[in-house]
Amino acid sequence: ETGVTQSPTHLIKTRGQQVTLRCSSQSGHNTVSWYQQALGQGPQFIFQYYREEENGRGNFPPRFSGLQFPNYSSELNVNALELDDSALYLCASKRGGADTQYFGPGTRLTVL
Amino acid sequence: AQTVTQSQPEMSVQEAETVTLSCTYDTSESDYYLFWYKQPPSRQMILVIRQEAYKQQNATENRFSVNFQKAAKSFSLKISDSQLGDAAMYFCAYRRKIGANSKLTFGKGITLSVRP
Repeated sequence: ETGVTQSPTHLIKTRGQQVTLRCSSQSGHNTVSWYQQALGQGPQFIFQYYREEENGRGNFPPRFSGLQFPNYSSELNVNALELDDSALYLCASKRGGADTQYFGPGTRLTVL
Repeated sequence: AQTVTQSQPEMSVQEAETVTLSCTYDTSESDYYLFWYKQPPSRQMILVIRQEAYKQQNATENRFSVNFQKAAKSFSLKISDSQLGDAAMYFCAYRRKIGANSKLTFGKGITLSVRP
Protein backbone atom coordinates (compact mmCIF):
# COMPACT_ATOMS: atom_id res chain seq x y z
CA GLU A 1 0.00 0.00 0.00
CA THR A 2 1.38 3.38 -1.04
CA GLY A 3 -1.40 5.55 0.38
CA VAL A 4 -2.30 6.75 -3.12
CA THR A 5 -5.85 5.93 -4.18
CA GLN A 6 -7.60 6.23 -7.52
CA SER A 7 -11.21 6.06 -8.63
CA PRO A 8 -12.91 4.49 -10.36
CA THR A 9 -11.12 1.15 -10.76
CA HIS A 10 -12.60 0.46 -14.18
CA LEU A 11 -14.50 2.61 -16.65
CA ILE A 12 -16.09 1.98 -20.02
CA LYS A 13 -16.86 4.90 -22.34
CA THR A 14 -17.73 5.36 -25.97
CA ARG A 15 -15.79 7.32 -28.54
CA GLY A 16 -16.40 11.07 -28.33
CA GLN A 17 -17.42 11.06 -24.68
CA GLN A 18 -15.61 12.82 -21.84
CA VAL A 19 -14.16 11.18 -18.73
CA THR A 20 -12.84 12.32 -15.35
CA LEU A 21 -10.46 10.20 -13.32
CA ARG A 22 -9.59 10.97 -9.71
CA CYS A 23 -6.51 10.57 -7.56
CA SER A 24 -6.01 11.08 -3.84
CA SER A 25 -2.35 11.55 -3.01
CA GLN A 26 -0.49 10.24 -0.03
CA SER A 27 -0.67 12.46 3.05
CA GLY A 28 1.91 15.25 2.91
CA HIS A 29 2.51 14.89 -0.82
CA ASN A 30 1.98 18.10 -2.79
CA THR A 31 3.05 16.86 -6.22
CA VAL A 32 0.94 14.62 -8.43
CA SER A 33 1.85 13.16 -11.82
CA TRP A 34 -0.37 11.30 -14.27
CA TYR A 35 0.76 8.54 -16.62
CA GLN A 36 -0.91 6.58 -19.41
CA GLN A 37 0.04 2.93 -19.76
CA ALA A 38 -1.08 1.16 -22.91
CA LEU A 39 -1.33 -2.62 -22.80
CA GLY A 40 2.11 -4.23 -22.78
CA GLN A 41 3.93 -0.88 -22.64
CA GLY A 42 5.65 1.26 -20.06
CA PRO A 43 3.83 4.27 -18.60
CA GLN A 44 3.99 7.54 -20.54
CA PHE A 45 4.07 10.85 -18.68
CA ILE A 46 0.98 13.02 -19.25
CA PHE A 47 1.54 15.94 -16.85
CA GLN A 48 2.47 16.96 -13.34
CA TYR A 49 0.84 19.30 -10.83
CA TYR A 50 2.62 21.01 -7.99
CA ARG A 51 0.65 23.12 -5.52
CA GLU A 52 -2.32 23.36 -7.90
CA GLU A 53 -0.25 24.48 -10.91
CA GLU A 54 0.73 22.37 -13.93
CA ASN A 55 4.53 22.39 -14.06
CA GLY A 56 5.34 19.81 -16.69
CA ARG A 57 3.60 18.15 -19.60
CA GLY A 58 4.37 15.21 -21.87
CA ASN A 59 3.47 14.73 -25.51
CA PHE A 60 -0.31 14.62 -25.07
CA PRO A 61 -2.90 16.80 -26.84
CA PRO A 62 -4.82 19.57 -25.05
CA ARG A 63 -7.91 17.38 -24.71
CA PHE A 64 -5.99 15.83 -21.80
CA SER A 65 -6.33 18.30 -18.95
CA GLY A 66 -6.06 18.23 -15.20
CA LEU A 67 -6.68 19.89 -11.90
CA GLN A 68 -5.12 19.79 -8.49
CA PHE A 69 -7.11 20.85 -5.46
CA PRO A 70 -5.99 22.59 -2.24
CA ASN A 71 -5.88 19.21 -0.46
CA TYR A 72 -3.52 18.05 -3.30
CA SER A 73 -5.96 15.50 -4.72
CA SER A 74 -6.13 15.61 -8.50
CA GLU A 75 -8.30 14.96 -11.52
CA LEU A 76 -7.45 13.93 -15.05
CA ASN A 77 -10.00 14.93 -17.68
CA VAL A 78 -10.04 13.59 -21.20
CA ASN A 79 -12.37 15.08 -23.79
CA ALA A 80 -13.47 13.67 -27.14
CA LEU A 81 -12.35 10.16 -26.28
CA GLU A 82 -10.64 8.12 -28.98
CA LEU A 83 -10.18 4.36 -29.19
CA ASP A 84 -6.45 4.79 -28.58
CA ASP A 85 -7.18 6.38 -25.21
CA SER A 86 -7.97 2.90 -23.89
CA ALA A 87 -5.27 2.30 -21.30
CA LEU A 88 -4.41 2.08 -17.62
CA TYR A 89 -4.13 5.56 -16.11
CA LEU A 90 -1.78 5.85 -13.17
CA CYS A 91 -1.26 8.70 -10.80
CA ALA A 92 1.79 9.10 -8.61
CA SER A 93 2.46 11.46 -5.74
CA LYS A 94 5.49 12.74 -3.86
CA ARG A 95 6.62 15.52 -1.60
CA GLY A 96 8.09 18.50 -3.43
CA GLY A 97 11.84 17.98 -3.66
CA ALA A 98 11.70 14.26 -2.94
CA ASP A 99 13.15 11.93 -5.55
CA THR A 100 10.69 9.04 -5.36
CA GLN A 101 7.09 8.91 -6.57
CA TYR A 102 4.51 6.52 -5.18
CA PHE A 103 1.88 5.11 -7.49
CA GLY A 104 -1.80 4.42 -7.10
CA PRO A 105 -3.44 1.21 -8.37
CA GLY A 106 -4.64 2.85 -11.58
CA THR A 107 -7.90 3.25 -13.46
CA ARG A 108 -8.51 0.98 -16.42
CA LEU A 109 -10.29 2.97 -19.15
CA THR A 110 -11.87 1.18 -22.11
CA VAL A 111 -13.14 3.24 -25.03
CA LEU A 112 -15.56 1.48 -27.37
CA ALA B 1 15.51 13.50 -24.96
CA GLN B 2 16.15 10.71 -22.54
CA THR B 3 15.32 7.15 -23.52
CA VAL B 4 15.22 3.90 -21.58
CA THR B 5 15.60 0.54 -23.30
CA GLN B 6 14.70 -2.86 -21.95
CA SER B 7 15.51 -5.26 -24.75
CA GLN B 8 14.40 -8.51 -23.10
CA PRO B 9 10.59 -8.79 -23.20
CA GLU B 10 10.45 -11.90 -21.03
CA MET B 11 12.60 -13.84 -18.63
CA SER B 12 12.11 -16.91 -16.51
CA VAL B 13 13.90 -18.06 -13.35
CA GLN B 14 13.72 -21.09 -11.12
CA GLU B 15 12.58 -20.43 -7.56
CA ALA B 16 15.57 -19.76 -5.24
CA GLU B 17 17.85 -18.97 -8.19
CA THR B 18 19.27 -15.60 -9.24
CA VAL B 19 18.17 -13.59 -12.25
CA THR B 20 19.43 -10.36 -13.81
CA LEU B 21 17.21 -7.94 -15.71
CA SER B 22 18.92 -5.56 -18.13
CA CYS B 23 18.32 -1.89 -18.79
CA THR B 24 20.19 0.72 -20.78
CA TYR B 25 19.44 4.41 -21.03
CA ASP B 26 20.54 7.45 -22.94
CA THR B 27 21.00 10.92 -21.48
CA SER B 28 23.29 13.91 -21.77
CA GLU B 29 22.82 14.78 -18.09
CA SER B 30 25.51 14.00 -15.54
CA ASP B 31 23.29 13.65 -12.50
CA TYR B 32 19.96 11.86 -12.42
CA TYR B 33 18.01 9.09 -10.73
CA LEU B 34 17.35 5.56 -11.92
CA PHE B 35 14.63 3.30 -10.60
CA TRP B 36 13.32 -0.21 -10.89
CA TYR B 37 9.58 -0.59 -10.40
CA LYS B 38 7.64 -3.84 -10.13
CA GLN B 39 4.08 -4.15 -11.46
CA PRO B 40 2.28 -7.36 -10.45
CA PRO B 41 -1.04 -8.38 -12.02
CA SER B 42 -2.76 -6.21 -9.42
CA ARG B 43 -1.36 -3.27 -11.47
CA GLN B 44 0.08 -1.35 -8.50
CA MET B 45 3.48 0.01 -9.48
CA ILE B 46 5.81 -0.70 -6.57
CA LEU B 47 9.26 0.82 -6.11
CA VAL B 48 11.92 -1.88 -5.91
CA ILE B 49 15.14 0.11 -5.77
CA ARG B 50 16.58 3.52 -6.64
CA GLN B 51 20.03 4.75 -7.58
CA GLU B 52 21.48 8.25 -7.67
CA ALA B 53 23.87 8.70 -10.57
CA TYR B 54 26.54 10.56 -8.61
CA LYS B 55 26.82 7.70 -6.12
CA GLN B 56 29.31 5.12 -7.31
CA GLN B 57 28.15 2.48 -4.85
CA ASN B 58 25.50 0.16 -6.21
CA ALA B 59 22.18 0.26 -4.36
CA THR B 60 20.91 -2.82 -2.54
CA GLU B 61 17.57 -3.61 -0.93
CA ASN B 62 17.47 -7.04 0.69
CA ARG B 63 17.41 -9.58 -2.19
CA PHE B 64 17.51 -6.85 -4.83
CA SER B 65 20.67 -5.15 -6.02
CA VAL B 66 21.74 -3.16 -9.05
CA ASN B 67 24.80 -3.05 -11.23
CA PHE B 68 25.10 0.59 -12.23
CA GLN B 69 27.64 1.28 -14.98
CA LYS B 70 27.46 5.02 -15.60
CA ALA B 71 29.91 5.18 -18.48
CA ALA B 72 28.11 2.37 -20.28
CA LYS B 73 24.70 3.83 -19.31
CA SER B 74 23.65 0.46 -18.02
CA PHE B 75 21.47 -0.25 -14.98
CA SER B 76 20.69 -3.92 -14.38
CA LEU B 77 18.66 -5.43 -11.54
CA LYS B 78 19.73 -8.63 -9.83
CA ILE B 79 17.17 -10.62 -7.88
CA SER B 80 18.69 -13.22 -5.57
CA ASP B 81 16.87 -16.20 -4.06
CA SER B 82 13.89 -15.63 -6.38
CA GLN B 83 10.47 -16.16 -4.88
CA LEU B 84 7.11 -16.89 -6.48
CA GLY B 85 5.95 -13.42 -5.41
CA ASP B 86 8.66 -11.85 -7.57
CA ALA B 87 6.70 -12.78 -10.70
CA ALA B 88 5.62 -9.48 -12.27
CA MET B 89 6.48 -6.92 -14.92
CA TYR B 90 9.59 -4.94 -14.08
CA PHE B 91 10.17 -1.45 -15.38
CA CYS B 92 13.37 0.51 -15.47
CA ALA B 93 12.85 4.29 -15.20
CA TYR B 94 14.92 7.46 -15.46
CA ARG B 95 14.37 10.85 -13.89
CA ARG B 96 16.31 14.05 -14.30
CA LYS B 97 17.64 15.54 -11.11
CA ILE B 98 17.55 19.17 -12.20
CA GLY B 99 14.27 21.03 -12.55
CA ALA B 100 10.90 20.98 -10.88
CA ASN B 101 9.42 18.43 -13.27
CA SER B 102 9.80 14.96 -11.81
CA LYS B 103 8.77 13.16 -15.00
CA LEU B 104 9.73 9.49 -15.10
CA THR B 105 10.77 8.00 -18.42
CA PHE B 106 10.06 4.27 -18.47
CA GLY B 107 11.29 1.38 -20.54
CA LYS B 108 8.83 -1.06 -22.11
CA GLY B 109 9.20 -3.48 -19.24
CA ILE B 110 10.14 -7.11 -18.86
CA THR B 111 7.85 -9.90 -17.75
CA LEU B 112 9.50 -12.12 -15.16
CA SER B 113 8.07 -15.54 -14.43
CA VAL B 114 9.24 -17.70 -11.53
CA ARG B 115 9.11 -21.49 -11.89
CA PRO B 116 8.37 -23.48 -8.70
